[in-house]
Amino acid sequence: AQSVTQLGSHVSVSEGALVLLRCNYSSSVPPYLFWYVQYPNQGLQLLLKYTSAATLVKGINGFEAEFKKSETSFHLTKPSAHMSDAAEYFCAVSASNTGNQFYFGTGTSLTVIP
Amino acid sequence: DTGVSQNPRHKITKRGQNVTFRCDPISEHNRLYWYRQTLGQGPEFLTYFQNEAQLEKSRLLSDRFSAERPKGSFSTLEIQRTEQGDSAMYLCASSLNKNTEAFFGQGTRLTVV
Repeated sequence: AQSVTQLGSHVSVSEGALVLLRCNYSSSVPPYLFWYVQYPNQGLQLLLKYTSAATLVKGINGFEAEFKKSETSFHLTKPSAHMSDAAEYFCAVSASNTGNQFYFGTGTSLTVIP
Repeated sequence: DTGVSQNPRHKITKRGQNVTFRCDPISEHNRLYWYRQTLGQGPEFLTYFQNEAQLEKSRLLSDRFSAERPKGSFSTLEIQRTEQGDSAMYLCASSLNKNTEAFFGQGTRLTVV
């Protein structure tokens, strides 16, 4: 079975500060991992994905995430927050052997303070 | 192709009525997923199709829910005898194959009054 836990349902950062959103996963098989962003009343947009290639993954809008198997983590970072980054962020996992569905975390709401 | 399209965007219905939502996936995508999202939660898996075959259904999908994907193209999700607890955002997503990323539509927000 697969699951993800997102630590911190709300994160606030100042504009220009480092963004760090935490995600830990549980998977009985090698996982594929994803970060999605959701703006109000919108669907989910893929930020980046890990599919067993490079452990440091770069995504859109300056975001990146590092897969750490020893820590079962896939934290999302961005060096400098922008006002437009304010949104809900979801981490998701799927099983690499079946890929039948994506399991999402409960989300982290990011607020950027001017 | 403009991505995954869902209709309607919003639906208000009275308790006990039936509702049907439509999802048009990205044209070459074989897999189609339905998720439900309630306020403050992440999307919860409901069901998915590989082409026209419905391969997996969540226990969340009670017998009042039915999904179809005729000819492996668009999909419909029907909820019969709606209940207030069915109020949620219903998200559709499609992917090219297993383990490729899913592209989501903008969702259908259902309100049952």
